[in-house]
Amino acid sequence: KAGVTQTPRYLIKTRGQQVTLSCSPISGHRSVSWYQQTPGQGLQFLFEYFSETQRNKGNFPGRFSGRQFSNSRSEMNVSTLELGDSALYLCASSLETGVPDTQYFGPGTRLTVL
Amino acid sequence: LAKTTQPISMDSYEGQEVNITCSHNNIATNDYITWYQQFPSQGPRFIIQGYKTKVTNEVASLFIPADRKSSTLSLPRVSLSDTAVYYCLVGEGAMRFGAGTRLTVKP
Repeated sequence: KAGVTQTPRYLIKTRGQQVTLSCSPISGHRSVSWYQQTPGQGLQFLFEYFSETQRNKGNFPGRFSGRQFSNSRSEMNVSTLELGDSALYLCASSLETGVPDTQYFGPGTRLTVL
Repeated sequence: LAKTTQPISMDSYEGQEVNITCSHNNIATNDYITWYQQFPSQGPRFIIQGYKTKVTNEVASLFIPADRKSSTLSLPRVSLSDTAVYYCLVGEGAMRFGAGTRLTVKP
């Protein structure tokens, strides 16, 4: 079974632009979560989607948004990019079987904002 | 989500056993304890999960005392490739990773 895939793997943008990142979960997984990882702040939770609904949200400004499609694929968007948005963005999917679940992470998208 | 506390960093040598302890005093009755491993520029990877007593797999062991207020991840005979950050998470739902424990294995 294929793992979590994220596209693109690397991205360079300039301040003020917007960016959309994509995540395809493992087949059959219905929950998708997004994280931002920077050297200074570590791994921080952005939001979680389940069945096309945002179920949880971290403490990030409204410039960060996401959505999930009916096939469980998810996208996150960052508008009006700032230098501090440079980070590794990770997506994780889980099965949501009702028992303690395991998250499976993708390779991440490395975003550089110049 | 229960708050967890674990050491910021640890050093070890190849071939030694490494034990990383995580404190989670306000763990809820239904909470499981999960450990992840992360290498630089990669996503975290599931290592082991448990509820009580001891769990062992091909990678590690997880020891959980009766009060479940802490847990210890045990890595037997570490190698250089075990150098990574290890995260302890308690509960489920929205996953919030702490700073983790940066393990450095030296030759």
